[in-house]
Amino acid sequence: DGGITQSPKYLFRKEGQNVTLSCEQNLNHDAMYWYRQDPGQGLRLIYYSQIVNDFQKGDIAEGYSVSREKKESFPLTVTSAQKNPTAFYLCASQVTKLGYNEQFFGPGTRLTVL
Amino acid sequence: GENVEQHPSTLSVQEGDSAVIKCTYSDSASNYFPWYKQELGKRPQLIIDIRSNVGEKKDQRIAVTLNKTAKHFSLHITETQPEDSAVYFCAAKGYSTLTFGKGTMLLVSP
Repeated sequence: DGGITQSPKYLFRKEGQNVTLSCEQNLNHDAMYWYRQDPGQGLRLIYYSQIVNDFQKGDIAEGYSVSREKKESFPLTVTSAQKNPTAFYLCASQVTKLGYNEQFFGPGTRLTVL
Repeated sequence: GENVEQHPSTLSVQEGDSAVIKCTYSDSASNYFPWYKQELGKRPQLIIDIRSNVGEKKDQRIAVTLNKTAKHFSLHITETQPEDSAVYFCAAKGYSTLTFGKGTMLLVSP
């Protein structure tokens, strides 16, 4: 399970505040992903990055922003524009080589808006 | 984009019974189909996967089958045990991203 860390484990936010979730990996993986998990909804892709200094929107990018300044780090900012941010957020990483497809997940951050 | 449907949403079995979870996908270009297990409060972990050039794959008590023509793949767990209780997600991979099903909560009663 090691190699990908997320912090904090729990995060409480007041309405109108921006918060940043941390994701770090030491697996030397090129690609990193952010998912949102809600009960009964599965994992929905927010943003992903296949190389440093490049990222793409996923299916539910509105109200979120990311950066990829270092290979090891892919922080996610939940902005005040996100209407319903309370959820469990999962970060994942993956080697981008032909035939390598497994995504490794971090332990997650549970965000609650008060 | 890809759309993955997963059924059933919940599945209750007795210990020792078999469990089958089914998924369908929409994009015929998808070529990789993993299954993840997520125990309560924990991260999803890969339990088995299959590529589009293979019809079936087994790993001890779990197996996955793929029907490319029907765009359908299934997870089979035999001789279920209480520790198999978890949420299981199927996924399909297109060019660079995974699309997940909504999950199946499997409950194995002793």
